[in-house]
Amino acid sequence: DIVMTQSPDSLAVSLGERVTINCKASQSLLFTSDNKNYLAWYQQKSGQPPKLLIYWASTRESGVLDRFNGSGSGTDFTLTISSLQAEDVAVYYCQQFYGTPATFGQGTKVEI
Amino acid sequence: QVHLVESGGGVVQPGGSLRLSCAASDFTFSKYAMNWVRQAPGQGLEWVAIISYGGENKYYADSVKGRFTISRDNSKNTLYLQMNSLRVEDTAVYYCARDPVAGNRHVPFYFDLWGQGSLVAVSS
Repeated sequence: DIVMTQSPDSLAVSLGERVTINCKASQSLLFTSDNKNYLAWYQQKSGQPPKLLIYWASTRESGVLDRFNGSGSGTDFTLTISSLQAEDVAVYYCQQFYGTPATFGQGTKVEI
Repeated sequence: QVHLVESGGGVVQPGGSLRLSCAASDFTFSKYAMNWVRQAPGQGLEWVAIISYGGENKYYADSVKGRFTISRDNSKNTLYLQMNSLRVEDTAVYYCARDPVAGNRHVPFYFDLWGQGSLVAVSS
């Protein structure tokens, strides 16, 4: 199985600050035939199901605010929140869908 | 607004069985592959199983293979997860999740719509 490792496990930042979450895959998630990285990002607020933010590593899901951005390729990926808002407090997960089974990172908790 | 609503969770003894249901509304259920994803208390997310849009193709995580069965009834817009030989380590919130890409394949992609979850607690 492909192992996904996120860093850090948690972070606390001030409102308006930039947040960077890293996700490293145990093998490349770049599918050469379509040149796409098979990686998604989710946000899970307390007591709620996960919400899809980003897919194909950098494509923002419809309705997701543009302060959420995904980047990276191959084995190293980043989710950036450009200016943290109070409603962004949540746990963030990366997920690979290059290999089966689909696997998730352990999550990164973002607090104010 | 599109919805997924799980039901059927509860407390069961080790070795017991339970069947979860996931009712879909306000989208064409039969056009999407569907998945089950679980989350143990205070833990991360674990993909469990996928079923293709027609129901012919299925795939399971090793942790549940041979014990869990995913199925669907497109006439009822409902997804199911039959869970047998339950273990303490199966205790989790079980989410049904829509896959917008997998189609007729048994390979999960990403999940764009999630239900609120159904809690399964396996305990003696």
